[in-house]
Amino acid sequence: GENVEQHPSTLSVQEGDSAVIKCTYSDSASNYFPWYKQELGKRPQLIIDIRSNVGEKKDQRIAVTLNKTAKHFSLHITETQPEDSAVYFCAASKGTYKYIFGTGTRLKVLA
Amino acid sequence: DVKVTQSSRYLVKRTGEKVFLECVQDMDHENMFWYRQDPGLGLRLIYFSYDVKMKEKGDIPEGYSVSREKKERFSLILESASTNQTSMYLCASSLPGVTDTQYFGPGTRLTVL
Repeated sequence: GENVEQHPSTLSVQEGDSAVIKCTYSDSASNYFPWYKQELGKRPQLIIDIRSNVGEKKDQRIAVTLNKTAKHFSLHITETQPEDSAVYFCAASKGTYKYIFGTGTRLKVLA
Repeated sequence: DVKVTQSSRYLVKRTGEKVFLECVQDMDHENMFWYRQDPGLGLRLIYFSYDVKMKEKGDIPEGYSVSREKKERFSLILESASTNQTSMYLCASSLPGVTDTQYFGPGTRLTVL
């Protein structure tokens, strides 16, 4: 069945460095790709998303890129800060209502 | 602010018990979802509902059922709880489009002994 692979599962970076998380999807019909951030003990929250007709989207220090041909998309965080430490989930749309989520990346920003 | 609430943050049940998890949203959202979150497995969809009394199976529906009698409330039912259903359960709601943001509740950590 359709799935979304996410790498790496854990990522440690020094404060101020960049972090990149990569996802690959299998369903060629997927056309919407959100990213959620889940801080420890809290609920997941949408941080950025991209639609299939766009190659890149930026919002301050975070950006998402999409390569439809290769079926992969990535989250880029620049100038990382301690408050960026969290678990990040990518997702790809499936059908009219649903997402398939990746398995998550635990990002640690070291001060 | 969208508010999605869940009936319990922590729940401990015995094997074989019937368990009800409730989710309420106050934004008049059409779509509601139940996910299960396990380490290393991400968020997996159990069931979702796109309208009152309408439901569809997600990716892991076995051992679960759902009920949506009112638009704001979506219940997840474990007919006979088993130890492998020990997990974090997250509810979410959204407007009807797949590009509409899903808003999550705080989660219920269920332990089945």
